[in-house]
Amino acid sequence: DAGVIQSPRHEVTEMGQEVTLRCKLISGHNSLFWYRQTMMRGLELLIYFNNNVPIDDSGMPEDRFSAKMPNASFSTLKIQPSEPRDSAVYFCASSLARLGKLFFGSGTQLSVL
Amino acid sequence: KNEVEQSPQNLTAQEGEFITINCSYSVGISALHWLQQHPGGGIVSLFMLSSGKKKHGRLIATINIQEKHSSLHITASHPRDSAVYICAVRYNNDMRFGAGTRLTVKP
Repeated sequence: DAGVIQSPRHEVTEMGQEVTLRCKLISGHNSLFWYRQTMMRGLELLIYFNNNVPIDDSGMPEDRFSAKMPNASFSTLKIQPSEPRDSAVYFCASSLARLGKLFFGSGTQLSVL
Repeated sequence: KNEVEQSPQNLTAQEGEFITINCSYSVGISALHWLQQHPGGGIVSLFMLSSGKKKHGRLIATINIQEKHSSLHITASHPRDSAVYICAVRYNNDMRFGAGTRLTVKP
């Protein structure tokens, strides 16, 4: 298995633009997590899905952020409109069970100018 | 106050030394993860613990639920162990992270 695959690796966009980050889970995993990492705040959990259903989105900063799982193996994180303070590395991770070992994607480095 | 406190923040060791990184937390948890973030930014999960002790190669992780404390030990440290080590706790449906310990192992 290729592991958790995130795309794009890098994204540079202008303030106000829509940004879509993508994540492909490891086959058979049923839990999906989106995280954000910044120098100031470190790693933060944004949202967590179990069996395609969002379980906890209390970490999503505001309504500009939305996440979906259109099927069991794929997720998107959308920011609309983007702002410079959204600049960060966004990671997704999947696990076989809700409390299982986490497998991380390589991250998307987002820069909003 | 952060729910997850790690110490030390930075650690420099000579190759071969025994390393200990500590993590204390203030909430009731369902699991604790130790993560390793390489200089290139990639994150690897080293251990997931809910009790006791786990060992993988030169790495050992322990957790004391009553004391709300976990330790990550590295025996016979090597320069390739240089990375940031992050403690993360799962409680309810949330997950909180320590600020990380930056380990540098010199040859």
